[in-house]
Amino acid sequence: DIVMTQSPDSLAVSLGERATINCKSSQSVLYSSNNKNYLAWYQQKPGQPPKLLIYWASTRESGVPDRFSGSGSGTDFTLTISSLQAEDVAVYYCQQYYSTPPMCSFGQGTKLEIK
Amino acid sequence: EVQLVESGGGVVQPGGSLRLSCAASGFTFDDYAMHWVRQAPGKGLEWVSLISGDGGSTYYADSVKGRFTISRDNSKNSLYLQMNSLRTEDTALYYCAKDATIFGVVIIDYWGQGTLVTVSS
Repeated sequence: DIVMTQSPDSLAVSLGERATINCKSSQSVLYSSNNKNYLAWYQQKPGQPPKLLIYWASTRESGVPDRFSGSGSGTDFTLTISSLQAEDVAVYYCQQYYSTPPMCSFGQGTKLEIK
Repeated sequence: EVQLVESGGGVVQPGGSLRLSCAASGFTFDDYAMHWVRQAPGKGLEWVSLISGDGGSTYYADSVKGRFTISRDNSKNSLYLQMNSLRTEDTALYYCAKDATIFGVVIIDYWGQGTLVTVSS
């Protein structure tokens, strides 16, 4: 099974500053035949279901503000919020979908707060 | 607008059974794989099960294999999860979730609000 580990577990950033969340997979999630990383990021605000932000490691979902970006390849990935807004307070999860048969696993989550 | 509305949660004793339902609308239901994902109180997300758009393929997390059964009725735009031999560790908010594809990868683009299952004596 592929284990996803996020760092840090929690993070406090000032409004307007950059926030960076890291995600590491226990094995590569880069599929060589199509050169795609099978990695997604989700945002979960308090009392709400998760929301898809990024898939294929760096493709922003429709309607997601461009201050959110994803990067990385293989086993190491990063979610960056370029200028933190108050509405970005949430728990962020990375998720791999490389596994076969189709299934997935999530990181433990990173709680993002305002400093 | 995509809507996923779960129902069927409740309190059940260990060893008991429960059937969750999810009513879907706002998209062509049989064009997409569907999932159940759960979240224990105060904890992270755990994928539970997947069913392909035509219902012909199903997969389960090891933690529920042999106890839970996912199914769908495309004529009713509905998804189900039959949960048997429930354990206290199955206590969680269960989300019905839509995949972005018909089958093959797990990219979840819509989630319901969830239905709470509590397993307790």
